[in-house]
Amino acid sequence: KAGVTQTPRYLIKTRGQQVTLSCSPISGHRSVSWYQQTPGQGLQFLFEYFSETQRNKGNFPGRFSGRQFSNSRSEMNVSTLELGDSALYLCASSQGPTSGGHEDIQYFGAGTRLSVL
Amino acid sequence: GNSVTQMEGPVTLSEEAFLTINCTYTATGYPSLFWYVQYPGEGLQLLLKATKADDKGSNKGFEATYRKETTSFHLEKGSVQVSDSAVYFCALRHDSWGKLQFGAGTQVVVTP
Repeated sequence: KAGVTQTPRYLIKTRGQQVTLSCSPISGHRSVSWYQQTPGQGLQFLFEYFSETQRNKGNFPGRFSGRQFSNSRSEMNVSTLELGDSALYLCASSQGPTSGGHEDIQYFGAGTRLSVL
Repeated sequence: GNSVTQMEGPVTLSEEAFLTINCTYTATGYPSLFWYVQYPGEGLQLLLKATKADDKGSNKGFEATYRKETTSFHLEKGSVQVSDSAVYFCALRHDSWGKLQFGAGTQVVVTP
């Protein structure tokens, strides 16, 4: 079974540009979550989707947005990039509420490393 | 609100030494608790989990016990290997599924 696939693996952008990151979940998983990892702030939750609906959103500005498609694939977009947006962006997929309660496990992709110059 | 506190690293050990990484949490109710590991250049891998008080999670020689009375979930391994060098994250999930809240991570360096 293929794991969580994130593309691209690396991105270099300049301030003011926008970027779109993609995440393909494990087959059969309907929930996708996004996290930002930086040396200073650690792992911070961005948003979570289930069945194309955003279920939760972390404390990030409106420049960060996301969506989920009917095949459960997800994208996140960051507009008007700032230097502080440089980070490793991790996507995780899980079965969601159909997993049977507390057995829901998040599986992570290798991440997209974004560098903003 | 919920929070997870881990001991700061880096933790440097010799091969075959005993490893303990402390993790405490603040949460209402009964969250599920997890340990994830991140190797250089990779995403996070689930190491072990526990979903209720007194549960013990174990995997690859690592163990952690969900202690409700001390709100802790310390990670232990009896004899570490160089291949255990990585960053370890303690995390909690308050709902029955979905988003995780992570600690700051603890880097472990095992030398031959």
